[in-house]
Amino acid sequence: AQSVSQHNHHVILSEAASLELGCNYSYGGTVNLFWYVQYPGQHLQLLLKYFSGDPLVKGIKGFEAEFIKSKFSFNLRKPSVQWSDTAEYFCAVAYSGGGADGLTFGKGTHLIIQP
Amino acid sequence: DTGVSQDPRHKITKRGQNVTFRCDPISEHNRLYWYRQTLGQGPEFLTYFQNEAQLEKSRLLSDRFSAERPKGSFSTLEIQRTEQGDSAMYLCASSPGAGGSGQPQHFGDGTRLSIL
Repeated sequence: AQSVSQHNHHVILSEAASLELGCNYSYGGTVNLFWYVQYPGQHLQLLLKYFSGDPLVKGIKGFEAEFIKSKFSFNLRKPSVQWSDTAEYFCAVAYSGGGADGLTFGKGTHLIIQP
Repeated sequence: DTGVSQDPRHKITKRGQNVTFRCDPISEHNRLYWYRQTLGQGPEFLTYFQNEAQLEKSRLLSDRFSAERPKGSFSTLEIQRTEQGDSAMYLCASSPGAGGSGQPQHFGDGTRLSIL
């Protein structure tokens, strides 16, 4: 069974600091990778996704993520965070190849940006 | 894009009662998913539909749970004889049919179930 591991459950940063959130997945085959964000009181929203091609993908609000197949990783980065980035961030994996199409999520990282 | 709509937003019920939740997906989306999320965890996949066909069910979906999507539009999730452990946020998501698991899923606000 697939599993997704997010290394940091709680992260506190000051505004303008750089951000990197770790995500590793267990499945060794072809995967589709996602980062979702949940702002306080809102539903899950897609930040970015990787299907194929360039392993460095850019998403909304200045976020980017790099897929490193050899490390089974898909880390999320942002060079300079803002107070409005305070939210819960979830890494998710989908098996690409038929069968199970539900997403497998990590436990999430609660990010707090201090002004 | 009116988004994925879930009803009710909150449900409080006594242990042993039956509950039913409704999800209205984005209108042109063929795929519909149900997830459950408990405190401190990410969403866990329960089941999904391609149009009206239920194509997969997770082992998390015990016999007390049943989901339907009779006309390929809205879906219902019913939990019979609720237990304390059923307390969770139940999330619905939808995605276009084309592109398989590569298509991003659009989530609703969820239904929070509390079992007394």
